[in-house]
Amino acid sequence: EAGVTQFPSHSVIEKGQTVTLRCDPISGHDNLYWYRRVMGKEIKFLLHFVKESKQDESGMPNNRFLAERTGGTYSTLKVQPAELEDSGVYFCASSQARGMVSTDTQYFGPGTRLTVL
Amino acid sequence: QKEVEQDPGPLSVPEGAIVSLNCTYSNSAFQYFMWYRQYSRKGPELLMYTYSSGNKEDGRFTAQVDKSSKYISLFIRDSQPSDSATYLCAMSALSGKLIFGQGTELSVKP
Repeated sequence: EAGVTQFPSHSVIEKGQTVTLRCDPISGHDNLYWYRRVMGKEIKFLLHFVKESKQDESGMPNNRFLAERTGGTYSTLKVQPAELEDSGVYFCASSQARGMVSTDTQYFGPGTRLTVL
Repeated sequence: QKEVEQDPGPLSVPEGAIVSLNCTYSNSAFQYFMWYRQYSRKGPELLMYTYSSGNKEDGRFTAQVDKSSKYISLFIRDSQPSDSATYLCAMSALSGKLIFGQGTELSVKP
């Protein structure tokens, strides 16, 4: 079974440009999460989808970030316009809804390393 | 103050040593405690998971939770070079949102 995949693996853009990150969760996983790790800091939660609905977007830093999950399959995270502080590694994770979401194992993708110059 | 504190290391030990990794937390609402392992250029991988105070053992790994002290530990016995990675503690309350520690970089030297 394929794991969580993310594209691209690395993106280098200039300040003010737009970047779109993509996450393909494990097939059948209703829960999809985005996290981000800024250099030197801990991995931080951005948002949580249940199927196509945003369950919790409390971690989204500001309105330059837009996440979508049309059809409840893959998800995209768009940053527009990108700022220097957006640099970091963006992780996607998915979990199968078996009951309490807090106990479902989250499987992480390899991450997208975003560099904003 | 961070919700979860973890010494980032780095920690270097000889092969065969016992490794102790720790996290403290401040939020009493946390009920689920996890340890993830992350190899370079990879995503975090769940290693151990527990939801109650006490010990949980899986092979060479033991996870320990002390809710009264808000302190969790991961012990690795007979450490191997293949255990070299970053170890992240993570916690959650009732939602799926994980709160991570900063991660401890471990190096096991042959």
